[in-house]
Amino acid sequence: DSGVTQTPKHLITATGQRVTLRCSPRSGDLSVYWYQQSLDQGLQFLIHYYNGEERAKGNILERFSAQQFPDLHSELNLSSLELGDSALYFCASKSGGSPGSPLHFGNGTRLTVT
Amino acid sequence: GQQVMQIPQYQHVQEGEDFTTYCNSSTTLSNIQWYKQRPGGHPVFLIQLVKSGEVKKQKRLTFQFGEAKKNSSLHITATQTTDVGTYFCADGGGSNYKLTFGKGTLLTVNP
Repeated sequence: DSGVTQTPKHLITATGQRVTLRCSPRSGDLSVYWYQQSLDQGLQFLIHYYNGEERAKGNILERFSAQQFPDLHSELNLSSLELGDSALYFCASKSGGSPGSPLHFGNGTRLTVT
Repeated sequence: GQQVMQIPQYQHVQEGEDFTTYCNSSTTLSNIQWYKQRPGGHPVFLIQLVKSGEVKKQKRLTFQFGEAKKNSSLHITATQTTDVGTYFCADGGGSNYKLTFGKGTLLTVNP
């Protein structure tokens, strides 16, 4: 058990809809990362938050947004969903905001868009 | 942004054979991390390499960081069925805070 909690585990929704994925980092971890994993694209970095502030953005679509709350949990919002958004979404946390420390991944949320 | 290229994409071996996956970058890496993802699971941190030419071992796994800090490898000696999974390298450093992953090598082991 990595200590990172993601909910829900599975999500099935229709195109055009909006969903929210939730992540609770390990106790004491200030950094939260979001990744999208699809079969042909590996682990794609989406966004990184540190102590409530956005630190870095990857190839995140404009339809996607995220935030980290004062209690350090994070939410990833996906809107106007398309079939291609079907993927496994991972949240990961680590203790510091600087590079070089390992990430601890949650079990992921599997999103299916029909 | 900085990218790490990983080869091969797939590797199938007979149990007992050795396995190696390679990670390459066009630019110097401040450090590199390796992760393993079992089928149906999430990536799990294995190790981090920081120094030029560094070699670290974990039982049957040997990790190397190139002298120029532009490449790294993971070698598994005498594979077992428990080694099955996807092995990822990740650019763990730099000032961009992105922690970019390679596409991974999927290892399957025939018992």
